[in-house]
Amino acid sequence: RKEVEQDPGPFNVPEGATVAFNCTYSNSASQSFFWYRQDCRKEPKLLMSVYSSGNEDGRFTAQLNRASQYISLLIRDSKLSDSATYLCVVNRDVISGNNRKLIWGLGTSLGVNP
Amino acid sequence: DAGVIQSPRHEVTEMGQEVTLRCKPISGHDYLFWYRQTMMRGLELLIYFNNNVPIDDSGMPEDRFSAKMPNASFSTLKIQPSEPRDSAVYFCASSFGSEAFFGQGTRLTVV
Repeated sequence: RKEVEQDPGPFNVPEGATVAFNCTYSNSASQSFFWYRQDCRKEPKLLMSVYSSGNEDGRFTAQLNRASQYISLLIRDSKLSDSATYLCVVNRDVISGNNRKLIWGLGTSLGVNP
Repeated sequence: DAGVIQSPRHEVTEMGQEVTLRCKPISGHDYLFWYRQTMMRGLELLIYFNNNVPIDDSGMPEDRFSAKMPNASFSTLKIQPSEPRDSAVYFCASSFGSEAFFGQGTRLTVV
């Protein structure tokens, strides 16, 4: 079993739809969590960090459930430009040292159609 | 700052040849990561450095792979000899804090 798992999709939705992705992680020592976005043949870029209390950035909402060890990303009123692969990332920092290890999911592919 | 700069952007080489990928991290960042991305395996961490010191190279697939960071502004990933299964996109990323900034990647094809 991979340490970070995502549904690869693809999710194909019409413009204006609401779509949600989930990601599960297996290591309870995980310290911090992120969603990255990767466009076709481009590099990954940070979309948003995921905080324990949940956080929102415009049409995007991220949630963390530590008890169940999953994070989610909700996209409201989806746009054509949201079409991309969304990567779930978990950071296993060791606070007392200089060990920083980002563990990446394989990504969920989203296609938004006109 | 121009961001993380990688070269070359594309590399096509014959099996058995040596390949060297280069990376210039963002100035002031203290972590540098080398990743490999394929359709089947996604984004895999190969090795990372903190303040130019290799911290974890457990992701380096074989002895054919080596990485160096001689100073804070330059790193190389070398494959010698290269094999067709090494074909992938290789990303370099740097960070200071929690966000990792990626270069545009080097698309390596070994024929």
